[in-house]
Amino acid sequence: LAKTTQPISMDSYEGQEVNITCSHNNIATNDYITWYQQFPSQGPRFIIQGYKTKVTNEVASLFIPADRKSSTLSLPRVSLSDTAVYYCLVGNNAGNMLTFGGGTRLMVKP
Amino acid sequence: NAGVTQTPKFQVLKTGQSMTLQCAQDMNHEYMSWYRQDPGMGLRLIHYSVGAGITDQGEVPNGYNVSRSTTEDFPLRLLSAAPSQTSVYFCASSWGQGLVEKLFFGSGTQLSVL
Repeated sequence: LAKTTQPISMDSYEGQEVNITCSHNNIATNDYITWYQQFPSQGPRFIIQGYKTKVTNEVASLFIPADRKSSTLSLPRVSLSDTAVYYCLVGNNAGNMLTFGGGTRLMVKP
Repeated sequence: NAGVTQTPKFQVLKTGQSMTLQCAQDMNHEYMSWYRQDPGMGLRLIHYSVGAGITDQGEVPNGYNVSRSTTEDFPLRLLSAAPSQTSVYFCASSWGQGLVEKLFFGSGTQLSVL
């Protein structure tokens, strides 16, 4: 499982775009990048997954540069309800040890 | 569909007591796993199972036992609770093992060991 590094916390304001970057210098060729969101007193919830370039769904976008050594989760026009912890995971189907790191605690202010 | 159901939501134990945390899923997922979450440490994998009758250890297995007699259920047993096991426990399931498969989590069990 590739080691990932994320900022411990970030602050933003309602309506702003938030970008959370994850560093994964030792990513393997067959590794995917996945982001989860966790609200207080709840289990993590899948947000988005990608392998290269850009992936977009109804809640977020994921940008992955050509060297794949980092990735950026983009949340457009955040609201107070986006206050949560966001986890970046890097790995593949051969990985059994899916340990989540400390994540990034996003605080959205009014 | 209920998804992943964990019971109980809260539990207080005395040191040395035993108990079982229940986890059930109704999505016919082969892969199930248990995590513990401590402040500032993210989620750490305790045990996992890739199918009925098959279990294996994760990162922090000591003090915990699991079994997988059916596809639906994956209970976590604490044989002799210790204060160090005070934590929030999450069960998760997915179609297959590995990161590529989307994990579905339960709502957690908050356990305090006095």
